[in-house]
Amino acid sequence: EAGVTQFPSHSVIEKGQTVTLRCDPISGHDNLYWYRRVMGKEIKFLLHFVKESKQDESGMPNNRFLAERTGGTYSTLKVQPAELEDSGVYFCASSHRLAGIEETQYFGPGTRLLVL
Amino acid sequence: GNSVTQMEGPVTLSEEAFLTINCTYTATGYPSLFWYVQYPGEGLQLLLKATKADDKGSNKGFEATYRKETTSFHLEKGSVQVSDSAVYFCALFGLRYNFNKFYFGSGTKLNVKP
Repeated sequence: EAGVTQFPSHSVIEKGQTVTLRCDPISGHDNLYWYRRVMGKEIKFLLHFVKESKQDESGMPNNRFLAERTGGTYSTLKVQPAELEDSGVYFCASSHRLAGIEETQYFGPGTRLLVL
Repeated sequence: GNSVTQMEGPVTLSEEAFLTINCTYTATGYPSLFWYVQYPGEGLQLLLKATKADDKGSNKGFEATYRKETTSFHLEKGSVQVSDSAVYFCALFGLRYNFNKFYFGSGTKLNVKP
């Protein structure tokens, strides 16, 4: 079974440019999460999809970030325009929650974003 | 609110030394507790977890016990190997109390020297 995959693995862009990150969850996983680790600090939650719907986007930093999950499969996270403080590692995770049972989230390798 | 505090690194040990990485948490209700590990160039991998007080999670020689009275989940290993060099993240996750997401610590980098 393929794990969670993310693309690209690295991205270096200039301030003001746009970057789109992609996450392909494990097939059949309804839940998809985005997290971010900035400058060696804690990994912080950004948002959570259940299928194509945003369940919780309380962690999104501001309106320069737009996440989508068309058709409930892969997800994209767009940053437009990028700022220096957006640099960090963006992780995606997916899970298949059964009612009443603790879920296990499987994480992708992350996308390392550097904004210059 | 919910938060996780873990000891700052890096931690540098010689092979076969004893490892402890401290982790304490603040949470509403009774969350599940996790340790994730990130090896160089790879993503986060689940190392172990505990879902209720006094549970002990264990894997690959690592152990951690869910201590509700001290709100702690310290990671231990009796004899580390060079291959254990990685960044370790403590995390809590709540499902039943409507905060179904992870709260991570800042990570502790472990360097094991031969």
